[in-house]
Amino acid sequence: EVQLVESGGGLVKPGGSLRLSCAASGFTLSNAWMSWVRQVPGKGLEWLGRIKSKTNGGATDYAAPVKDRFTVSRDDSKNTLYLQMSSLKTEDTAVYYCSDGGYWGQGTQVTVSS
Amino acid sequence: DIQMTQSPSSLSASVGDRVTITCRASQAIRNDLGWYQQKPGKAPQRLIYAVSSLQSGVPSRFSGSGSGTEFTLTISSLQPEDFATYYCLHHNYYLWTFGQGTKVEIK
Repeated sequence: EVQLVESGGGLVKPGGSLRLSCAASGFTLSNAWMSWVRQVPGKGLEWLGRIKSKTNGGATDYAAPVKDRFTVSRDDSKNTLYLQMSSLKTEDTAVYYCSDGGYWGQGTQVTVSS
Repeated sequence: DIQMTQSPSSLSASVGDRVTITCRASQAIRNDLGWYQQKPGKAPQRLIYAVSSLQSGVPSRFSGSGSGTEFTLTISSLQPEDFATYYCLHHNYYLWTFGQGTKVEIK
């Protein structure tokens, strides 16, 4: 059974940093194009960025609003995806999901507040 | 970047109704389009991929169609468990773009 489990969310002050993790089981992350998506409470889904599969060079792409603040990476030895977030703003408060499009994690809550 | 405009933003329907939700792309896209259902407090679940392919385990009352710039999700006979928010998603080599969502409510 495939499982994606996000962790690392929490409360952080504006300007702070946070690293989210997405641990995979029953699924090899390096073979997939993995994305991070967030959802502000009561709002729609927003794509943040993606890392391509190892065979596609592992290149990354980002949405314009987060391009210079968020970084997607992967540790193949741990079968884990990461989202490094810096210079966090109150508007980054959301539930964050990892997904390959078909499989989704349960989400992790990030709250940016002083 | 390609924009996806989803309509309507919400609708009220009764059990047994036929429901249609549309996504329009700002330019022609290939078949890189999927549809998702999301219930409150839960992660999205894919219903349809590649415009019209039904995800394994999804009831056959869900169907997708379209080409070019206009795509449709149809629920042939709405069931109580179908009341949720639906999103289209276009994905290409560079990025994903979601529609704004359609909330399907009980009439």
